[in-house]
Amino acid sequence: QVQLVESGGGVVQPGRSLRLSCAASGFTFSTYTLHWVRQAPGEGLEWVAVISSDGTNKYYPDSLKGRFTISRDNSKNTLYLQMNTLRDEDTAVYYCARQRERSTALDSWGQGTLVTVSS
Amino acid sequence: SYVLTQSPSVSVAPGQTARITCGGYNIGTKSVHWYRQKPGQAPVVVVYDDSARPSGIPERFSGSNSGSTATLIISRVEVGDEADYYCQVWDSSTDHRVFGTGTKVTVL
Repeated sequence: QVQLVESGGGVVQPGRSLRLSCAASGFTFSTYTLHWVRQAPGEGLEWVAVISSDGTNKYYPDSLKGRFTISRDNSKNTLYLQMNTLRDEDTAVYYCARQRERSTALDSWGQGTLVTVSS
Repeated sequence: SYVLTQSPSVSVAPGQTARITCGGYNIGTKSVHWYRQKPGQAPVVVVYDDSARPSGIPERFSGSNSGSTATLIISRVEVGDEADYYCQVWDSSTDHRVFGTGTKVTVL
């Protein structure tokens, strides 16, 4: 079955960088668009980034553009999120999610990895 | 940027019908997806493309979308339906995805 497993979260000081990974299995990774979505403690869902199946198209909300970079390695079935110049407000659970074929819905999600930005 | 507005909370008795709304400018022209999130768990899509149901989601979950409001309807509500529900769309003008503010459904 479809499985997405995030890793790389932890405690990081403000201004530092962190890279998250999402290992996928159970489906043909290279044919799916993938996303990162985050959720601050006690808050709602916030879309973070999307990458097309071949990695050529990437989009971010204006609030994160320039600090966050999404990428993928289709040979390793792995999705990444590089986060630079981290701020307190980046503290959140980060989920990777798969976009459903022929739709823009997110049909499979990982369990999430917690990133805490704190001095 | 595109904004989706949801009521913060909805309360419903078991066996009754819950209606969760998602408001956005001309949302009727977009495909709306709905997610259920229980505490400590990842979201799960319960309705996609306005009214389609993924396999494994009961027929009690249905959706509609017209004008400036999309609606998720949960019929014959069960205690297990208690969760946060989020709507989501794709803003084609920016290629951004947008989530609604979320609605907490409480089963009395």
